[in-house]
Amino acid sequence: AQSVTQLDSQVPVFEEAPVELRCNYSSSVSVYLFWYVQYPNQGLQLLLKYLSGSTLVKGINGFEAEFNKSQTSFHLRKPSVHISDTAEYFCAVRRGASGNTPLVFGKGTRLSVIA
Amino acid sequence: DTAVSQTPKYLVTQMGNDKSIKCEQNLGHDTMYWYKQDSKKFLKIMFSYNNKELIINETVPNRFSPKSPDKAHLNLHINSLELGDSAVYFCASSQGQANEKLFFGSGTQLSVL
Repeated sequence: AQSVTQLDSQVPVFEEAPVELRCNYSSSVSVYLFWYVQYPNQGLQLLLKYLSGSTLVKGINGFEAEFNKSQTSFHLRKPSVHISDTAEYFCAVRRGASGNTPLVFGKGTRLSVIA
Repeated sequence: DTAVSQTPKYLVTQMGNDKSIKCEQNLGHDTMYWYKQDSKKFLKIMFSYNNKELIINETVPNRFSPKSPDKAHLNLHINSLELGDSAVYFCASSQGQANEKLFFGSGTQLSVL
């Protein structure tokens, strides 16, 4: 079975400060990894994904994440956050490329950017 | 135009009632999903349809019955509603089953009293 652990349920950070949202996964086979963002009263939007190749993945809105196989982690980072980054962030994993294996989401991390 | 639209946005009802949530996507996608997000923001897949065919059916009570009349629509009918069904239900779509870029609707907040 695969699972996703987001270690922090809430992360407050001052505007223009850097942020890292942590995500660890467990799976006995190769996985595909994703970060989604949910703004208030909206559905989720894809931020970035890792399927293969370079372990450093760049996404929208200045976010990036690094796949670390030895540490089974896929932490999300941004060097300087804005107020508009305040949202819920979800890490997700899928085992392999088959459509019959659903995306499994973590419990989310609430990022609050303080002016 | 909204890419994935679901109605109603809010649904308040009493235990034991039967209700439906509708979802439509105008993106031309062939795969649609229903997700449930509980009060702790935990998001879990319920169903996935590809070209009107059921692909994923997670451990969901059979009181929940999805229906896909065509590729652009995936409705969710719930019988005999229970308090524990209270949650936000999200519809989503993607092009292809293995395409991880899901487009989500804005959610339906269901409150069972």
